[in-house]
Amino acid sequence: GAVVSQHPSRVICKSGTSVKIECRSLDFQATTMFWYRQFPKQSLMLMATSNEGSKATYEQGVEKDKFLINHASLTLSTLTVTSAHPEDSSFYICSARGTKDSPLHFGNGTRLTVT
Amino acid sequence: AQSVSQHNHHVILSEAASLELGCNYSYGGTVNLFWYVQYPGQHLQLLLKYFSGDPLVKGIKGFEAEFIKSKFSFNLRKPSVQWSDTAEYFCAVSPLYNQGGKLIFGQGTELSVKP
Repeated sequence: GAVVSQHPSRVICKSGTSVKIECRSLDFQATTMFWYRQFPKQSLMLMATSNEGSKATYEQGVEKDKFLINHASLTLSTLTVTSAHPEDSSFYICSARGTKDSPLHFGNGTRLTVT
Repeated sequence: AQSVSQHNHHVILSEAASLELGCNYSYGGTVNLFWYVQYPGQHLQLLLKYFSGDPLVKGIKGFEAEFIKSKFSFNLRKPSVQWSDTAEYFCAVSPLYNQGGKLIFGQGTELSVKP
C-alpha cells in the first residue's frame, strides 16, 4: 500500500539552530501534504496544509516564518524549524494524500528535541 | 471553532472484554468522521470512516463505529478485544466545507489490553 516516509525519526539540536524534516510519498503523487504537531498526551494539532507548487496555508497561531514548509514536488514536502528553541521540542507528523478523495497516509513522525 | 472530544484518556481492559470509546465533535455542518489507530512505534492507520449512508460503519479488525447525528457522536466499539488491540486511538473529523480535507483530531485514547 501507499507509504509515507518521514525523515529523520529523531533529531536533537541546539537552541538557535535550524532543523529540516522531510516527508516523502513513496508510491503515489501527493498533491496535498499536512503537517501536524503532537504534544505528549495531547491531540495532533494541524500546523499547515501544503499543496504542491503553491504556498502553504498555516493554521491560526502557527508562525510561518518559524516553520517553513516547502512542497516543491509531488513526492516531497519539507518542514524547517528555524532558530529552534526548547519549546519547539515536540513530535512532528506529516500526512499526504493524492487526490481530494484519496485516503490520508501518515508518516512515522519526527521526535525533535531542542537543548 | 470545531473540536473533537474523546472522553477517555486511558482505558484498561482484559482480553475478551467489550470496548466502547467515546467521541463527540462540535460542528453544525456536514462532516466526514474517522477513527485512526496508532500501535506502539508505528504510524497512524485508518480503522474506519464514515462519509454518508448507513450510520453503522464496520472497519478493520472487528471494529465498528456508529454515527449518531443528533448527539454529534461517533463512538468506536469492538465486542471482544485482544491483547494486540493495545494502541492509541484517535477520532477525527473533517468538515465538508473544507475541500482541502484537513482533519481535526481528538486528544486520543490509550487502550491497554491485559492478557
